Amino acid sequence: GQQVMQIPQYQHVQEGEDFTTYCNSSTTLSNIQWYKQRPGGHPVFLIQLVKSGEVKKQKRLTFQFGEAKKNSSLHITATQTTDVGTYFCAGPPNSGYALNFGKGTSLLVTP
Amino acid sequence: SAVISQKPSRDICQRGTSLTIQCQVDSQVTMMFWYRQQPGQSLTLIATANQGSEATYESGFVIDKFPISRPNLTFSTLTVSNMSPEDSSIYLCSGGQVNTEAFFGQGTRLTVV
Repeated sequence: GQQVMQIPQYQHVQEGEDFTTYCNSSTTLSNIQWYKQRPGGHPVFLIQLVKSGEVKKQKRLTFQFGEAKKNSSLHITATQTTDVGTYFCAGPPNSGYALNFGKGTSLLVTP
Repeated sequence: SAVISQKPSRDICQRGTSLTIQCQVDSQVTMMFWYRQQPGQSLTLIATANQGSEATYESGFVIDKFPISRPNLTFSTLTVSNMSPEDSSIYLCSGGQVNTEAFFGQGTRLTVV
């Protein structure tokens, strides 16, 4: 079935540095979602991208969906300690209705 | 949006016993799911909770071990039966409508001793 691959697995940055995580699929995705999970917390929905080449911004976060709808990225500008957590991309289900989650990128931001 | 209340938030259980986790949604949702997540890992889908019928289990998960109920569109339970230390994990319920954002409960951190 469709695999949603996410890199890197971990990223450690100094506060103020930028951060990017990438999500790739071997097949075309109808949409992609991004979630953030704080340490000890539960995943929280950030955004859904649907259109080819779509770019959406939420303050310092920029989400992009590739032209071929096979990849996506999340870029954080000037990270802050509040950005710490694991960021998951999630594609449509292979079967059934449950989202297909990537393995996540854990971001650590040190002051 | 939907808010999902999950309980208990954590528990320490003796091996061989069972624990039932409950999730209550503040609005009707079409889909509800149960996941397991090891610390630092991604989410592994256990099953889809179907309203009024038997849950749909993923490979490696069986009804005898993880019985699930979903009597209506706002409530579901997951039981972890005959627990062993290997069942120690975080269990998450999720709900939402088809092809839209998923909402998660706060999670249940289970330790089996």
